[in-house]
Amino acid sequence: NAGVTQTPKFRVLKTGQSMTLLCAQDMNHEYMYWYRQDPGMGLRLIHYSVGEGTTAKGEVPDGYNVSRLKKQNFLLGLESAAPSQTSVYFCASSYSPRPNTEAFFGQGTRLTVV
Amino acid sequence: GQQVMQIPQYQHVQEGEDFTTYCNSSTTLSNIQWYKQRPGGHPVFLIQLVKSGEVKKQKRLTFQFGEAKKNSSLHITATQTTDVGTYFCAGRGGNNRLAFGKGNQVVVIP
Repeated sequence: NAGVTQTPKFRVLKTGQSMTLLCAQDMNHEYMYWYRQDPGMGLRLIHYSVGEGTTAKGEVPDGYNVSRLKKQNFLLGLESAAPSQTSVYFCASSYSPRPNTEAFFGQGTRLTVV
Repeated sequence: GQQVMQIPQYQHVQEGEDFTTYCNSSTTLSNIQWYKQRPGGHPVFLIQLVKSGEVKKQKRLTFQFGEAKKNSSLHITATQTTDVGTYFCAGRGGNNRLAFGKGNQVVVIP
């Protein structure tokens, strides 16, 4: 099993460009999350999903959109990238219907917006 | 909303010494999870605590969950260079969000 796979691993964008980050998990997990990690800020939840076709806002959702069309995939979109979105993005997944289970993280995507 | 706070944010620990990192929540938690992130890596699950007053051990690591289920601690004895990294606690609220603290970055001095 690959676990949680994120693509791409690195990306440089110009301000105003758009892009989509892909997260794929092969563990049949219901719950999926997108976090961003910035120095001194820990992991902040952007959006999450509790099942196929569902999405919900986290604590820092502005400037991002997500989609969960297939259970195994969770896409994070930036419509018009800004320098403030320079960060390391982590996707995670966990099993359902028991929410008290561990989250498995992808390797991260390092995004730079210039 | 639910907030999880960690103290301290940074620690420099001499190899061989012990240290503790703390996690405090503004609300009662159904459970608390601990993760470790090595430099340049991704967070990896260490343990979950569910019961009030629960204590769990993993070799040199001791995890505690407070009686009121609002705080937790991680104590590491005889620190090794492999303990370097950032330790996160995470709590899950009623909205299914998994909220992380800001982490405790640990530097080990040989």
